[in-house]
Amino acid sequence: GQNIDQPTEMTATEGAIVQINCTYQTSGFNGLFWYQQHAGEAPTFLSYNVLDGLEEKGRFSSFLSRSKGYSYLLLKELQMKDSASYLCAVMDSNYQLIWGAGTKLIIKP
Amino acid sequence: DARVTQTPRDKVTEMGQEVTMRCQPILGHNTVFWYRQTMMQGLELLAYFRNRAPLDDSGMPKDRFSAEMPDATLATLKIQPSEPRDSAVYFCASGLVLIEGPYNEQFFGPGTRLTVL
Repeated sequence: GQNIDQPTEMTATEGAIVQINCTYQTSGFNGLFWYQQHAGEAPTFLSYNVLDGLEEKGRFSSFLSRSKGYSYLLLKELQMKDSASYLCAVMDSNYQLIWGAGTKLIIKP
Repeated sequence: DARVTQTPRDKVTEMGQEVTMRCQPILGHNTVFWYRQTMMQGLELLAYFRNRAPLDDSGMPKDRFSAEMPDATLATLKIQPSEPRDSAVYFCASGLVLIEGPYNEQFFGPGTRLTVL
């Protein structure tokens, strides 16, 4: 079966750094996506990894290890507006996205 | 500013009634997805279309749900009859899928919040 695992909830402090992990088992791999979803809103795209390594985009970075079936999203200099759910999704061999349940990130002052 | 639009944004109905949700994908996108999101299940794929042809609707209860794409600018998701367990947020997303290219971001609409009493 296909499976995406990520922690249900994490708490971090404003200004700090947090790493959200995602492990996956899918039939085929055509890339891994991270989406951000604020409460009551639609998911919005954050990052895409298809090759091993780190992709940096401002305060956000995403890492991928295909051999380990593992990714993480790193958020630096946390701001209150970063409080949201972070969804990990893997594109399988049929170019279909398999979604994780999401990690709710709570930022405290 | 291209975006996916969905109507209605909110729908409250009674059990047994028909519900139709509509989606206008971003012009030029060739793939449309219907998702359902609840607190318990997270984001579930119900159906998706490529070039208006249904590719996968295995996530959809076939006895009451139907999804169509009558033209490139309109996708519909219908529930008949609706039940309280169908209460959820229904998202439509569109994307441009090129088999040769690895990058296939999905753009989500604002969602339809459905409440079935």
